Amino acid sequence: DQQVKQNSPSLSVQEGRISILNCDYTNSMFDYFLWYKKYPAEGPTFLISISSIKDKNEDGRFTVFLNKSAKHLSLHIVPSQPGDSAVYFCAAKATTSGTYKYIFGTGTRLKVLA
Amino acid sequence: NAGVTQTPKFQVLKTGQSMTLQCAQDMNHEYMSWYRQDPGMGLRLIHYSVGAGITDQGEVPNGYNVSRSTTEDFPLRLLSAAPSQTSVYFCASTRGRDDTQYFGPGTRLTVL
Repeated sequence: DQQVKQNSPSLSVQEGRISILNCDYTNSMFDYFLWYKKYPAEGPTFLISISSIKDKNEDGRFTVFLNKSAKHLSLHIVPSQPGDSAVYFCAAKATTSGTYKYIFGTGTRLKVLA
Repeated sequence: NAGVTQTPKFQVLKTGQSMTLQCAQDMNHEYMSWYRQDPGMGLRLIHYSVGAGITDQGEVPNGYNVSRSTTEDFPLRLLSAAPSQTSVYFCASTRGRDDTQYFGPGTRLTVL
């Protein structure tokens, strides 16, 4: 039962245009969301995050939007650059009984075309 | 700081063999976790720990054991390796609840 879903396995975008990566979740107890970027043969690296009490967070070219009623978040990259080509994972934090854990989605491979 | 380190980088096992994947962090992070990455499956949580002496199961814990005797180390043990455990394994750590996780470089494991 996949609690965090990224329904688009891949996405191609022209350099300079906007990249929009989507993520859906099913567990209403998730209280914190993160996006990670992963290059081949490396561990994922943190990109941007958002608390469940907010609906938008910006960091330079990266903006994350959270729609709690739709249980949906998205990552916007503007403008897209060839170096952004990587696999992007969304993740959600669930807090229960004094402990917490992070659940990841299946990933979306972004290719930015020069 | 070395961050999160994992050893070995690559490992080939035969079915039924046992081994331990090592993970260490030098950031004094309380929270550590293990994930496996498989094609089309993303990163799936195996086990996690919120502090020394405390561990809990993630999404796919079967076939794996963990312990957390120190803040720095969080080894993952495969008692009897199976081909289904062929995967890339990542260890991660984080300081607190709303902090980012730092990932190690991964261990690529093949079970024949």
